Formats: sequence, C-alpha cells, structure tokens
Amino acid sequence: EAQVTQNPRYLITVTGKKLTVTCSQNMNHEYMSWYRQDPGLGLRQIYYSMNVEVTDKGDVPEGYKVSRKEKRNFPLILESPSPNQTSLYFCASSGRDRTYEQYFGPGTRLTVT
Amino acid sequence: AQSVTQLGSHVSVSEGALVLLRCNYSSSVPPYLFWYVQYPNQGLQLLLKYTSAATLVKGINGFEAEFKKSETSFHLTKPSAHMSDAAEYFCAVSFEDDMRFGAGTRLTVKP
Repeated sequence: EAQVTQNPRYLITVTGKKLTVTCSQNMNHEYMSWYRQDPGLGLRQIYYSMNVEVTDKGDVPEGYKVSRKEKRNFPLILESPSPNQTSLYFCASSGRDRTYEQYFGPGTRLTVT
Repeated sequence: AQSVTQLGSHVSVSEGALVLLRCNYSSSVPPYLFWYVQYPNQGLQLLLKYTSAATLVKGINGFEAEFKKSETSFHLTKPSAHMSDAAEYFCAVSFEDDMRFGAGTRLTVKP
C-alpha cells in the first residue's frame, strides 16, 4: 500500500529536550516536505526537499532542522523544543514537486511543556 | 503576496442539504488547484484537483468544484450532505513554484 508514515503519532516533551519525528514514504517520491497545522492558520511549510541531500526552508523554518540522506526518509529534528512549537505536524511527499498533488502522513501531535 | 482565502472557518448544514465551501485565491491564473479533506485524527487526503483541463472537476464522495477564472474562485460543492462528510476541508493553490493552503473550513452535518 502506497503510504507516508510518521512516528510517533503523539509526543509530549519538555522545553529543551531534543526530539526527532520520523517520516518515511514507499512511493519512490523525490519531493518531501514538513508542515505544521495550527488553528486558524491552515498548513504552513517548515522545510522541503527536492531530492537526496537537497533541502530548503519553507515559511516557518526557525527552530527546526531536517535531513535527507535517503530518498524514502525525511526526519524532522527539534534541537531545543519550545512551547510555541506545540502543534500538529504533517509530512508529505509528491511524485513531482511542491506545486503538485501531495500525499500526507497521519500527523504527529506534539506538546511541549 | 500570493494568498488563499477560505470564507467561513465553520460551516454547518443539515443532512441532505447542499454543501458549499468557498475558496478564493490571489493570482491571474494558477496552474493547479486542489481540495483536501481531513477526517478527525487523520492526515489530509486529496478530494479533487484542477489541472487546466475541464473547469468543472469531480472528486471522490460526490464532491465537485468549479474553477472560475473571472472570480478567482474554486468553490467546493456537494448536492446532498451526509453525516460522514463532517471533516475539515482545505483549499490549496499552486503559485508558480509554490503551493499555499487556505486556513481550512470545518464542516458540521446535523441530523
């Protein structure tokens, strides 16, 4: 089954404790991205990757890091989480680029206290 | 700056009534337009997409949307709402090399 998976689905952590949210897709897509969803703001892009070892900032990259060492994986790293990073995070992939249809993971709900 | 506006953060309809969710964008002619649906505790899934073919686009679950260039709109409709349509709906528009999402509209269906 073609899918995008994310882990963990739920995470509660404390300020400053480094964490990683994993994302993996099995569709051989070159393009992958991370979004955060906040009430009233819709989806805002954090980072995206056009291919292995190629990443770029989205609209809200501050406080986040990503890496793309393999085509299928695109982890999101929060080196020092803060309460304003409490949000619902989605990973997505596309068979073309950021302008075309995207396939979304199930989401990771992160709470930073 | 390019933008996508969804009018109404919450829409409530009765079961069997017409569903109309509005989406407007700021651009002359965007290449692609999408509607996504998000059910509770799930990711977004594609409902339908416009890619410069027919202006009336049919999607899954009986939804359709019409691209109106003169109104810069891409409103989503369904003739008869079902309880299972209760979800959040997002309009997304491609602008050259970028994609923007609207803030979302939460649809409630009353029995």
